[in-house]
Amino acid sequence: GQNIDQPTEMTATEGAIVQINCTYQTSGFNGLFWYQQHAGEAPTFLSYNVLDGLEEKGRFSSFLSRSKGYSYLLLKELQMKDSASYLCAVRDRNYQLIWGAGTKLIIKP
Amino acid sequence: NAGVTQTPKFQVLKTGQSMTLQCAQDMNHEYMSWYRQDPGMGLRLIHYSVGAGITDQGEVPNGYNVSRLNKREFSLRLESAAPSQTSVYFCASSQVRDFGANVLTFGAGSRLTVL
Repeated sequence: GQNIDQPTEMTATEGAIVQINCTYQTSGFNGLFWYQQHAGEAPTFLSYNVLDGLEEKGRFSSFLSRSKGYSYLLLKELQMKDSASYLCAVRDRNYQLIWGAGTKLIIKP
Repeated sequence: NAGVTQTPKFQVLKTGQSMTLQCAQDMNHEYMSWYRQDPGMGLRLIHYSVGAGITDQGEVPNGYNVSRLNKREFSLRLESAAPSQTSVYFCASSQVRDFGANVLTFGAGSRLTVL
């Protein structure tokens, strides 16, 4: 079966750095996405990786290793507004998105 | 620019009742989809459409029907609601499905409770 694993919950301090990991086992690979979802709201797109390496976008970076079935989302200079769930999703060989359950990130002052 | 609009935002049904969730997008997207989101689980695809009049099943299609009469609108119908269908439903659209950084734009969600 296809599987995406992420930690259920993480806690970090305002101004710090946090890394949210995602490991996957899917039927084929056609890209990996990270979405942010604030409580009670819709998911919004953060990043996309299809080749190995790091993609940087402001305070957020996403890394992919296809050989290891592994990605992480790195959030720097954490702000209270970064408190949200972070969803990892992999597009499989049939171009369907397989979603992880999400990581709830709690930011403390 | 409204993006993806879903209605209703909240709905309470009794077991066996029927209802339709409406979704409309104004971004000229070809691909539209319906997901459900349950606690502790990833988003699960119910049905999707790659164009007007074309629909297909996702991961959890049982108990749901969809209709895509035109490019803008994609509705989800529960013919006989069951408590297991209590969930938050999201409509999402994208330009196409199978290419590049194909970003999904989500509606605000519809919280459905079946008693």
